[in-house]
Amino acid sequence: GAGVSQSPRYKVAKRGQDVALRCDPISGHVSLFWYQQALGQGPEFLTYFQNEAQLDKSGLPSDRFFAERPEGSVSTLKIQRTQQEDSAVYLCASSDITGDDTGELFFGEGSRLTVL
Amino acid sequence: GNSVTQMEGPVTLSEEAFLTINCTYTATGYPSLFWYVQYPGEGLQLLLKATKADDKGSNKGFEATYRKETTSFHLEKGSVQVSDSAVYFCALTPKASGGSNYKLTFGKGTLLTVNP
Repeated sequence: GAGVSQSPRYKVAKRGQDVALRCDPISGHVSLFWYQQALGQGPEFLTYFQNEAQLDKSGLPSDRFFAERPEGSVSTLKIQRTQQEDSAVYLCASSDITGDDTGELFFGEGSRLTVL
Repeated sequence: GNSVTQMEGPVTLSEEAFLTINCTYTATGYPSLFWYVQYPGEGLQLLLKATKADDKGSNKGFEATYRKETTSFHLEKGSVQVSDSAVYFCALTPKASGGSNYKLTFGKGTLLTVNP
């Protein structure tokens, strides 16, 4: 596709359920990022991949959060045993530049997770 | 640590009014500075950027100047249009050796509504 695609757009989970959020980046983009955006806040960095390598996962809030990008393209963010504080919009972004540059990130529309 | 503080909204203007959205930052060294915009129903997209002091970023009639002495990057537009209604995010990436230049730190966002 032309842009970054995320699915599902909306997800409602009961507390304790596991969820998986998918990101399909722009074809050929080396770098992929996940951000978390709570209501009324700016996005906050979660993790960064360069191809299939997860180079930075310092923003993941707990060991219940796990991200992978096994073939260097599609990425999945998994949240185990969801808690109410996990409710947020999860944004994926991709870029054709690597970490030492200040190029543009292309964002998807996000996946809105609501944990009841 | 790095942080971005931007003017709280919402901001409501009439068409053709002058717009200023204030943004100040705290960072070590000389970060790169960005304005991202999120139109209704769309993903975040880069509006403009500046990578060093006194640089001016500009796009679509919007401008922002990197002011090191005041650690600011205020967004301005001389005459807003209804189509400019969106949420605007100020952001920075550090400019440190050894990477991490990809890690955007965002402000909370400012909702702009332009009425005809």
